[in-house]
Amino acid sequence: AQTIHQWPVAEIKAVGSPLSLGCTIKGKSSPNLYWYWQATGGTLQQLFYSITVGQVESVVQLNLSASRPKDDQFILSTEKLLLSHSGFYLCAWSPDWVNQDTQYFGPGTRLLVL
Amino acid sequence: TQTVSQSDAHVTVFEGDSVELRCNYSYGGSIYLSWYIQHHGHGLQFLLKYYSGNPVVQGVNGFEAEFSKSDSSFHLRKASVHWSDSAVYFCAVTNNAGAKLTFGGGTRLTVRP
Repeated sequence: AQTIHQWPVAEIKAVGSPLSLGCTIKGKSSPNLYWYWQATGGTLQQLFYSITVGQVESVVQLNLSASRPKDDQFILSTEKLLLSHSGFYLCAWSPDWVNQDTQYFGPGTRLLVL
Repeated sequence: TQTVSQSDAHVTVFEGDSVELRCNYSYGGSIYLSWYIQHHGHGLQFLLKYYSGNPVVQGVNGFEAEFSKSDSSFHLRKASVHWSDSAVYFCAVTNNAGAKLTFGGGTRLTVRP
């Protein structure tokens, strides 16, 4: 069975500080990976997706970056946090290109920027 | 550009009632429609999806959804809800060509005992 893990569970950070959020998927080789941002009580906004190691596509510009250093790992980061970065960050995977409409989500990381 | 609209932000029903959560989409080409559920403080869970074939698709936990091309809709239904169905439900659409899953605003379902 596949499992998806996100870390940390929650973070409280200061404006201007750096951030790194992680996501790992076990039990599935070469998954499509996705990062989403969700404002409190809001809908989901897809931020990045990756089809293969080393390749990341940006969907929206929010002063964030993403990397896929390993097949099973997806990292979201920024060097300087903004207040608007607060929210719930979700990582997801899909089996392949054909089934990318079926995504499996991690538990999420809650971020508060003060 | 694909858009998804969930007209009801909040729906409240009693346990054992039936419920329909509405989803309308706007897109001209082939699309994939899906529903997800999010319990408070958790990630999303996939419920069901439609691409082609039988317009009524069955999902987990007794949920089903019906696709209507004429109405541009993909409403989610359940015949008898349980208190554990209380959650936020998201409708989503993708054309499967750009890897972008577009979500609706969500509908918060509250099931009262």
